[in-house]
Amino acid sequence: DGGITQSPKYLFRKEGQNVTLSCEQNLNHDAMYWYRQDPGQGLRLIYYSQIVNDFQKGDIAEGYSVSREKKESFPLTVTSAQKNPTAFYLCASSQQGAWPQHFGDGTRLSIL
Amino acid sequence: QKEVEQNSGPLSVPEGAIASLNCTYSDRGSQSFFWYRQYSGKSPELIMSIYSNGDKEDGRFTAQLNKASQYVSLLIRDSQPSDSATYLCAVNTGPGSQGNLIFGKGTKLSVKP
Repeated sequence: DGGITQSPKYLFRKEGQNVTLSCEQNLNHDAMYWYRQDPGQGLRLIYYSQIVNDFQKGDIAEGYSVSREKKESFPLTVTSAQKNPTAFYLCASSQQGAWPQHFGDGTRLSIL
Repeated sequence: QKEVEQNSGPLSVPEGAIASLNCTYSDRGSQSFFWYRQYSGKSPELIMSIYSNGDKEDGRFTAQLNKASQYVSLLIRDSQPSDSATYLCAVNTGPGSQGNLIFGKGTKLSVKP
């Protein structure tokens, strides 16, 4: 079945540690996105990529980094510079920029 | 700053009633509009897309778009307790069919048995 797979489902970060969230899609979509959702809040865009080997910052990119070496994969690294990383992280993909986005099941990140 | 506004709710309706969810957007050039349903603790799920003025029906769901008023709505007929969720409105940032989506903060719907 086609879809978006995020892993792990839960992740804990120690002080000063970088952690990487995985996102893989087999929908053959060109565009991929990372969002952060805090309790009771909407989705805030962290980074997006509309083509392999290219990505752009979203509204809250500070403290995060991404890569897009393959069409299917768009990993997100939460660096130690992100001082408040506790949130629900959602990866999405779409055929093109403004087409419907489809979401993975998300990763919950907490601080130890 | 392009914005999408929704009433946060909660919107409470009795089972079997019509739930009406509303969304306004600031970018007059937007062309693509979407409604997502998000159950507590889960990821958003696309339930409706609409691109032209007027109504679009899919089962118990009807999306309504009025570009002149920059307004999009979602009607849920014969509401069921299983419809209780947060509904997110998403609008493309333009121009035309390009750009990314901006999401509203969502309206929490509660359907009472």
